[in-house]
Amino acid sequence: NAGVMQNPRHLVRRRGQEARLRCSPMKGHSHVYWYRQLPEEGLKFMVYLQKENIIDESGMPKERFSAEFPKEGPSILRIQQVVRGDSAAYFCASSPNEETQYFGPGTRLLVL
Amino acid sequence: GESVGLHLPTLSVQEGDNSIINCAYSNSASDYFIWYKQESGKGPQFIIDIRSNMDKRQGQRVTVLLNKTVKHLSLQIAATQPGDSAVYFCAETNDMRFGAGTRLTVKP
Repeated sequence: NAGVMQNPRHLVRRRGQEARLRCSPMKGHSHVYWYRQLPEEGLKFMVYLQKENIIDESGMPKERFSAEFPKEGPSILRIQQVVRGDSAAYFCASSPNEETQYFGPGTRLLVL
Repeated sequence: GESVGLHLPTLSVQEGDNSIINCAYSNSASDYFIWYKQESGKGPQFIIDIRSNMDKRQGQRVTVLLNKTVKHLSLQIAATQPGDSAVYFCAETNDMRFGAGTRLTVKP
């Protein structure tokens, strides 16, 4: 059973461009969570999704950020018009039951 | 507001010693906790969990203790090894909140 997969592992964007981060949950997991992590800091919750539904987006910035988890395919975290402050590691986790979360390797976004 | 936090940001131990990492939580309704280990450049990895109806749970070389009275959680690592060097997070799953973590460094 493959673990949570994220791609790309590293992403470089210039200010103003769009960043699309993908997360494929573990097989059988219908709950997906996105977190952001700055260097030497903890994980900051962004959004929790189930298939085709956003359950909790209380940690997501109101502008430029969006997330989806379609019926088919991976979950996508989209950041429009990126700024330098968006540079961080973005982790996705999946769960079968809203409890134990299994994390992917993360996408490291660098905005130049 | 409710929060999950760590008492110590760093911990340095000698190889072979036991390590204790502490965590405080403030949501008295929390009923499920998880400890994660994050090595440099990697995602957090599940170590051990505990439910609020338990005081203690043991795994391989790790033990988690839960004190609901003072809302405190600890992770004990026996015979710490260099491979244990990482940042350790406790997570309270009701609110999906993580503390800043404790960086454990094991000296050979």
